[in-house]
Amino acid sequence: AQKITQTQPGMFVQEKEAVTLDCTYDTSDPSYGLFWYKQPSSGEMIFLIYQGSYDQQNATEGRYSLNFQKARKSANLVISASQLGDSAMYFCAMREGFGDDKIIFGKGTRLHILP
Amino acid sequence: DVKVTQSSRYLVKRTGEKVFLECVQDMDHENMFWYRQDPGLGLRLIYFSYDVKMKEKGDIPEGYSVSREKKERFSLILESASTNQTSMYLCASSSGTAGFYGYTFGSGTRLTVV
Repeated sequence: AQKITQTQPGMFVQEKEAVTLDCTYDTSDPSYGLFWYKQPSSGEMIFLIYQGSYDQQNATEGRYSLNFQKARKSANLVISASQLGDSAMYFCAMREGFGDDKIIFGKGTRLHILP
Repeated sequence: DVKVTQSSRYLVKRTGEKVFLECVQDMDHENMFWYRQDPGLGLRLIYFSYDVKMKEKGDIPEGYSVSREKKERFSLILESASTNQTSMYLCASSSGTAGFYGYTFGSGTRLTVV
């Protein structure tokens, strides 16, 4: 069974609109961490945001916020006021427990920002 | 600026060749990882290492091996390359606190096996 599910293979959004990229996860470990990465066409993986399972507040980093709904096992990425440079592949990922640093990635969502 | 460097950006090899993909990090990180990335499949973990001379299998280790003789270097080895190993290979490292800061990734090696 997939541990990280991203149901949107691709999305097209008008510039300056807000974007929500969906991510659901599956784990029985009470301690886990959730990540979002951005991969532009150049190929490098850029860390965007992190949410710990015990964090009470949703994580925010500039225009990025993580809508963490623990009961639904949902960790959607919200990008406010999208820009052309936001066009990229986005990966949701999870670390289970604190025993190791192994991170599991979803299949990704390709976001296209339209001018 | 901290860095993970992968020796080749693009590589073309013949079926049956032994292929070495090199990854070097300058952050004194304990942990290093090799992933392969394929369209529609995301990133899949091949092997990882928590210390020199230590290695652990990831989700798809078949057809691959690794070597970590020095802390800063983690090599991925394709013993006998096959066309189904054509892929983008990403190396990453972490300090043991990836739980809060994520990994640092290299820029990737796009391998084509012909």
